Amino acid sequence: GAVVSQHPSRVICKSGTSVKIECRSLDFQATTMFWYRQFPKQSLMLMATSNEGSKATYEQGVEKDKFLINHASLTLSTLTVTSAHPEDSSFYICSARGQVLEQYFGPGTRLTVT
Amino acid sequence: GIQVEQSPPDLILQEGANSTLRCNFSDSVNNLQWFHQNPWGQLINLFYIPSGTKQNGRLSATTVATERYSLLYISSSQTTDSGVYFCAVERYNQGGKLIFGQGTELSVKP
Repeated sequence: GAVVSQHPSRVICKSGTSVKIECRSLDFQATTMFWYRQFPKQSLMLMATSNEGSKATYEQGVEKDKFLINHASLTLSTLTVTSAHPEDSSFYICSARGQVLEQYFGPGTRLTVT
Repeated sequence: GIQVEQSPPDLILQEGANSTLRCNFSDSVNNLQWFHQNPWGQLINLFYIPSGTKQNGRLSATTVATERYSLLYISSSQTTDSGVYFCAVERYNQGGKLIFGQGTELSVKP
């Protein structure tokens, strides 16, 4: 099956700093990548969709200036949480899709802002 | 928007028992996936099943698209089956956006 990696798996940062999370498709070309956020004991909420070489599309209520997404190549998308605050602490998960409709998910990044 | 409802929200089983998880959705879809989220948070693809029936070992799934529901069957459950099971759907012409149900939390006791 297709493999998606995320890095880092866990990060702790101080309030006001920025954090970058990488999402890579390891064995296929991802024309579209997605970023989700998950709070404890809750479901996944889609934050944004990114297509290679174009601007990301953000879901309603997601601040695009706080959550910067770059899909620089067919195998890499990055999410940067700018000026992080404690309320940004969450589990961030990316997914990727190639030529077929099935999506594959990365292992997630647990962000803690102190 | 489309509504995705999963039932039951919680399920406790003895090892070896069988179970059926249900996913109802409120509109036509062109993609439906079942996932198992393990205790470390990783979402594992179980089935890509917009319609029909599939089987993989002790797991099988059926989607009846015309009636807007999908079922996930787990037979002879094992403790490693514990975790949260999510159903997610994609509507037509939505660019691949998956809408997730609230999940079924399964606990299999030895």
